[in-house]
Amino acid sequence: GQQVMQIPQYQHVQEGEDFTTYCNSSTTLSNIQWYKQRPGGHPVFLIQLVKSGEVKKQKRLTFQFGEAKKNSSLHITATQTTDVGTYFCAGSDWGGTSYGKLTFGQGTILTVHP
Amino acid sequence: EAQVTQNPRYLITVTGKKLTVTCSQNMNHEYMSWYRQDPGLGLRQIYYSMNVEVTDKGDVPEGYKVSRKEKRNFPLILESPSPNQTSLYFCASSLSGGGYGYTFGSGTRLTVV
Repeated sequence: GQQVMQIPQYQHVQEGEDFTTYCNSSTTLSNIQWYKQRPGGHPVFLIQLVKSGEVKKQKRLTFQFGEAKKNSSLHITATQTTDVGTYFCAGSDWGGTSYGKLTFGQGTILTVHP
Repeated sequence: EAQVTQNPRYLITVTGKKLTVTCSQNMNHEYMSWYRQDPGLGLRQIYYSMNVEVTDKGDVPEGYKVSRKEKRNFPLILESPSPNQTSLYFCASSLSGGGYGYTFGSGTRLTVV
């Protein structure tokens, strides 16, 4: 079945440093979504990428979807303490009968030291 | 306020005692899904539903049942809970599974002893 791997599992940075998490799928994806989960909270939807090679930005966050639609990355520029949390990627394959199936990566836990 | 409501937030139960975790959304979303979250394993999909009376298995459906009799409700049923079902459970809904993000509930922390 579809597998989505995410690295690194943990990342500790000093405030102001950049941060990147990577997501790789065993199969071609129809879309990739990114979520953020604050400590003790629930996942919150950040963005969705659909097109091959797509790049989207949200303030200091840059999201990319690979040309082959099998990998993605989230890059945060100049981290702040408010960026602390776990970042998840999640992918779907809209083909066949699994239209509603969304597979999450294991997540990257980001710690930001002031 | 648009939201997904899960109940209860916390539950401690004994092995074999049937339980239901309720989930309700007020956004008229078609898609609903249940996930469990375990350390190091991320979020794993248990079941999902594409509309009323339409459900399908996710990656870890064993030991769980769901039903979707109304569009707004998607309860998760554990008919005979076991300790390996101790986990944090999230219900989520989406306008449509193939192009919209999911809105998650606040979670249910279940402990089976």
